[in-house]
Amino acid sequence: TQLLEQSPQFLSIQEGENLTVYCNSSSVFSSLQWYRQEPGEGPVLLVTVVTGGEVKKLKRLTFQFGDARKDSSLHITAAQPGDTGLYLCAGAHNQGGKLIFGQGTELSVKP
Amino acid sequence: GAVVSQHPSRVICKSGTSVKIECRSLDFQATTMFWYRQFPKKSLMLMATSNEGSKATYEQGVEKDKFLINHASLTLSTLTVTSAHPEDSSFYICSAPPGGYAKNIQYFGAGTRLSVL
Repeated sequence: TQLLEQSPQFLSIQEGENLTVYCNSSSVFSSLQWYRQEPGEGPVLLVTVVTGGEVKKLKRLTFQFGDARKDSSLHITAAQPGDTGLYLCAGAHNQGGKLIFGQGTELSVKP
Repeated sequence: GAVVSQHPSRVICKSGTSVKIECRSLDFQATTMFWYRQFPKKSLMLMATSNEGSKATYEQGVEKDKFLINHASLTLSTLTVTSAHPEDSSFYICSAPPGGYAKNIQYFGAGTRLSVL
């Protein structure tokens, strides 16, 4: 089974704090995607990384793809209550192929 | 950006009835679509890969006779939960890769909340 281990699964922090979410696997992915999902809605794509060592920034969010394309991280700087939600990483072995999801990180940012 | 529409957003049905969920790609053609099931505060679990014009590919442990998938056109895939029971109550989500310029991207529907009484 090709697993994608995501941690932590639950995170409760105060507004203004920084946090990092990790996704790790023993297999190589052709691409890795990060999604954010709110209750009762579908996941919304945040970013796709495809190149080993790639770093992408989206305002206060920084995404990194490991050199070996087996792991990825999401770092949020100065978290805000609006960042609250379920964050999901998902890896693909083929372009347009099925996604393997991590367990998800339930983030709660308290004002 | 590309949009995937899922319908209905919520359905409540009696035990033993069948429920059909539609997934449409609105501005692109999708030869492949994916169906997921999600439990509260959990991640997405892939159920099956829907292939236009051919049989769906089911993940291990998913009953193909229980969850019927039809992908009759390049913009529509349907998931039918047959003889639904309370344990089938869940959040079902579809996704589709636009392909072309966005080979590494998948867009998700808004999900369908199924409640079986």
